[in-house]
Amino acid sequence: GNSVTQMEGPVTLSEEAFLTINCTYTATGYPSLFWYVQYPGEGLQLLLKATKADDKGSNKGFEATYRKETTSFHLEKGSVQVSDSAVYFCALRVGTSGTYKYIFGTGTRLKVLA
Amino acid sequence: KAGVTQTPRYLIKTRGQQVTLSCSPISGHRSVSWYQQTPGQGLQFLFEYFSETQRNKGNFPGRFSGRQFSNSRSEMNVSTLELGDSALYLCASSLETGTNQPQHFGDGTRLSIL
Repeated sequence: GNSVTQMEGPVTLSEEAFLTINCTYTATGYPSLFWYVQYPGEGLQLLLKATKADDKGSNKGFEATYRKETTSFHLEKGSVQVSDSAVYFCALRVGTSGTYKYIFGTGTRLKVLA
Repeated sequence: KAGVTQTPRYLIKTRGQQVTLSCSPISGHRSVSWYQQTPGQGLQFLFEYFSETQRNKGNFPGRFSGRQFSNSRSEMNVSTLELGDSALYLCASSLETGTNQPQHFGDGTRLSIL
């Protein structure tokens, strides 16, 4: 079946620290991979995406590379800020014409301290 | 460009009642998906509509239903409410239904069952 596994949080870091949030997946076919971020009281926002193996998605200093050989899509940022505090969701979308499904991880809460 | 709009933002109901939630997608978006978010279960897919047709369905009982109108606006209905239905219900829209299509989320409707 299709599934997404994220590292459990919360993750607490000091400002300017390096961030890694691990995400691995199992999927049939050729999924697209996404990272979404959710700030308190809001819905999810797309952070970045990758649609095929070895693609690197990047946005706002965050990066993730689609690794088919390790079925991973780890999120990284070189220097986090207090404003990055949020819940991060890894997701995959898989399917065939007319029948697609999004599978989300359980989310990883990040707290950045000043 | 207006984002995804969900109404109402908050709703309080009692067991046994029914409820209808509304979602207006981003203009031009034809695919609308619904999710239930709870602390224990995370983000779970309910269903997806495209061109007024349900294209995909998650593993929820028949008490959960939806529909999409010709203007792409969507409604979700939950009948015979149970305490366990208390959750944040998120709607997401995308241009088309395809593997590399990111979803744009609304801020959700928080449903509380007393």
